[in-house]
Amino acid sequence: DAKTTQPPSMDCAEGRAANLPCNHSTISGNEYVYWYRQIHSQGPQYIIHGLKNNETNEMASLIITEDRKSSTLILPHATLRDTAVYYCIALNTGNQFYFGTGTSLTVIP
Amino acid sequence: DTEVTQTPKHLVMGMTNKKSLKCEQHMGHRAMYWYKQKAKKPPELMFVYSYEKLSINESVPSRFSPECPNSSLLNLHLHALQPEDSALYLCASSPYGVSSYEQYFGPGTRLTVT
Repeated sequence: DAKTTQPPSMDCAEGRAANLPCNHSTISGNEYVYWYRQIHSQGPQYIIHGLKNNETNEMASLIITEDRKSSTLILPHATLRDTAVYYCIALNTGNQFYFGTGTSLTVIP
Repeated sequence: DTEVTQTPKHLVMGMTNKKSLKCEQHMGHRAMYWYKQKAKKPPELMFVYSYEKLSINESVPSRFSPECPNSSLLNLHLHALQPEDSALYLCASSPYGVSSYEQYFGPGTRLTVT
C-alpha cells in the first residue's frame, strides 16, 4: 500500500475553508484514498473516500490530482467542532489500512 | 442502530488480573476490528474478524486473546498484561468483510494496567 505524507499540524479560522493536503506519490492505480478524523478522546470517524474522481458528501470534499499522487480534503466552512486529527490513508481492496501520523487541525475562533 | 458500543469505558487492572473488553454492533456488519492507541499516536491494528473468523492477527502478544461469539459481538480477553499495555482500545466494524474500509468506530475503552 502507498505511504501517505501529511503536515503534522495546521490552523484554520472558524468559518473559513480548511484545506488538508496529503501526498501519496507511490499510489497504484487500484488504491483508494480514504480520510478519517479523530476528535480528542473519541474513536476515528470516516469522512470520505475516492479513487480518481473528486468526491463530495455532507461533511467534506475530496480533490484528487489527475496523476493521483496527492489529494486535498476540504472542509468548506470549518467550525470549532472540526478540531481533530485528520488521517489520509491509501490502500487497495482486500488489504487492511494503517493509520499514519495524520494532521492535527486546530480551528481558531 | 448505527453505532458501535464498547464496554467498559474505563478499566483499571493489575498485572495478574483477567478481564475482558466487549464490543457490540447491530448494523449487520460482517467484519470487526480491534485497534490499540497509545497517547498522541495513531491507532494500530491488532485483530480483524471477517464473517466471524479471525483473518488478521498483527503479531499481537498472546496475553491478548480475541473472540467473536457471533456477528454482532467482539470480545478482547486480557490476561497478565504489562503496564506498557495501558492504552485506548478501539473496536470498529465494516459492512462487507475485510474488503470494505468505511469503518465505524466505537468510543474506546481506556485501559490502565497497574
